[in-house]
Amino acid sequence: AQSVTQLDSHVSVSEGTPVLLRCNYSSSYSPSLFWYVQHPNKGLQLLLKYTSAATLVKGINGFEAEFKKSETSFHLTKPSAHMSDAAEYFCVVTSNSGYSTLTFGKGTMLLVSP
Amino acid sequence: SQTIHQWPATLVQPVGSPLSLECTVEGTSNPNLYWYRQAAGRGLQLLFYSVGIGQISSEVPQNLSASRPQDRQFILSSKKLLLSDSGFYLCAWIGPPGGNTIYFGEGSWLTVV
Repeated sequence: AQSVTQLDSHVSVSEGTPVLLRCNYSSSYSPSLFWYVQHPNKGLQLLLKYTSAATLVKGINGFEAEFKKSETSFHLTKPSAHMSDAAEYFCVVTSNSGYSTLTFGKGTMLLVSP
Repeated sequence: SQTIHQWPATLVQPVGSPLSLECTVEGTSNPNLYWYRQAAGRGLQLLFYSVGIGQISSEVPQNLSASRPQDRQFILSSKKLLLSDSGFYLCAWIGPPGGNTIYFGEGSWLTVV
């Protein structure tokens, strides 16, 4: 069994300040972890993924995430928010078992104010 | 190459009408396939998943159904749509075996009027 918990349903930041979106997971097998972004009325866009290589993963648009097995976390960060970052973000986990399952977090809405 | 296609992209349907959304994958065999729905202001909710032809698991009871008539085809259906069925529907596939790459369809925006 596996699960994903996005700890904040909404995060508000000012433009130019750091962004932290939190994600905790549980998985019975070695997980692969992903962050996706969805802008209003758009599909899902992959930001970055962790697949058992380097624990610090760099993605597009200046985002990065660190896989911490001891904390079962995969938090998404960005040093400086931009107005265009305002969107909904989903943390996703799959399990590296013979039968793969796919579980989404409930999403975090990032609001960026000028 | 491995791809996934989903259609139609948008549709407006009256209450009580039928629905059929289709998802097909290419470049793989025996994929695990998923249907998700995102209602307005809500996260992605797993509706159905399938591990093979004719094998469907339902996560949420509703007036929707799914079928897997072929290995690489996954269909979401309804006999009579409700207003509450409006939303964004997404087909997904995990590949390769072991699951470190997610493929998403383009998405289908359904408005029930």
